[in-house]
Amino acid sequence: QVQLVQSGAEVKKPGASVKVSCKASGYSFIRYGISWVRQAPGQGLEWMGWISVYNGNTDYAQRLQDRVTLTTDTSTSTAYMEVRSLRSDDSAVYYCARGQYTSSHHDYWGQGTLVTVSS
Amino acid sequence: NFMLTQPHSVSESPGKTVTISCTRSSGSIASNYVQWYQQRPGSPPTTVIYEDTQRPSGVPDRFSGSIDRSSNSASLTISGLKTEDAADYYCQSFDFSNRVFGGGTKLTVL
Repeated sequence: QVQLVQSGAEVKKPGASVKVSCKASGYSFIRYGISWVRQAPGQGLEWMGWISVYNGNTDYAQRLQDRVTLTTDTSTSTAYMEVRSLRSDDSAVYYCARGQYTSSHHDYWGQGTLVTVSS
Repeated sequence: NFMLTQPHSVSESPGKTVTISCTRSSGSIASNYVQWYQQRPGSPPTTVIYEDTQRPSGVPDRFSGSIDRSSNSASLTISGLKTEDAADYYCQSFDFSNRVFGGGTKLTVL
């Protein structure tokens, strides 16, 4: 069965960086893309970016593109999301989600990773 | 970039029908597929409608999706409401290089 398993919770200080992993299993990793979506406490879903696992092409949300980098390791079927220069308002649950290339349907989601930014 | 606007909250009684709208700010709603996700507290979203009108296996046929070009909006309709349908619902679509989520609608069934 398809699974996306994310790395564990992180606590970071303002100005630091965080890198979250998302290990995929149960399907051909390169046949789908991966989106990263975050959700601040009590807030809605915010799309952060997308990576085509097939060719490594990326799209980023405009307001985050200077601080976020998405990568994949096809040898281990793992996607990574790094956020730099963390601020308190980056505190959120971060999700990876498998995305269909043609419809952008996100059909499977990771369990979420809580990132807390606090001094 | 475009935005997707949803009502902040809706409420209805068990057994009734509720419709949640999702209006696209620019560009045609019909140009790109719309998905609808259900999210319960503490859990990741799950799909209830994909590609405008398609229902994943396991989602009851009480859930349906539609597109209205005249209002440039998509709608999620839930009929025969059950208390278990209470959750947050998000629409989502895309354009050339952006995936966009609506702000979410809190459905209360009481």
